[in-house]
Amino acid sequence: DVVLTQTPSILSATIGQSVSISCRSSQSLLDSDGNTYLYWFLQRPGQSPQRLIYLVSNLGSGVPNRFSGSGSGTDFTLKISGVEAEDLGVYYCMQATHAPWTFGGGTKLELK
Amino acid sequence: EVQLQQSGPEVGRPGSSVKISCKASGYTFTDYVMNWVKQSPGQGLEWIGWIDPEYGSTDYAEKFKKKATLTADTSSNTAYIQLSSLTSEDTATYFCARGSWELGFDYWGQGVMVTVSS
Repeated sequence: DVVLTQTPSILSATIGQSVSISCRSSQSLLDSDGNTYLYWFLQRPGQSPQRLIYLVSNLGSGVPNRFSGSGSGTDFTLKISGVEAEDLGVYYCMQATHAPWTFGGGTKLELK
Repeated sequence: EVQLQQSGPEVGRPGSSVKISCKASGYTFTDYVMNWVKQSPGQGLEWIGWIDPEYGSTDYAEKFKKKATLTADTSSNTAYIQLSSLTSEDTATYFCARGSWELGFDYWGQGVMVTVSS
């Protein structure tokens, strides 16, 4: 199975600070069809996960543009340009290039 | 508005089975696969599998092939997951999530807590 390693596991930030989360894959996530099936989700405390980013860098509907995704192959990054209070929670990357689909272990974003 | 409404919390005895539902509305049910995701208490997310409601085809993560059975009823726009031979390891919250390869899991249900207890 593909292992997705997220770093850091805990991220402390102040409001307005820009932060980045890394997601590294044990295998390339570039599919033979040319797509890279890498997604990002945020799970706020007590809530269901919500999709932020699809196909590495595409912003989900209704997601603020302070979120951005980048990367290729095995290395991917989620950036938040100016953390707001509503951004606190656990972030997960997920891949759907290789079966079974797998999630990263999560990065908890908390207030410093 | 797309909504996925899941059934209520379940308590199952060890060795028994439970069946959770996920009723979809606001879109054409057969246009998307339905995924199921497990979250054990205080832990991360695990993909269980998906079902294509149009054809009834399924795919499971290996570790859930003998544990979970995914079905869908197109007449009621409802997807189901049945968990069998329950053990304490099955105590978790189970989410349904609408999916497509292009868009990922774009809508999620509210989750159902399953507690295995004698």
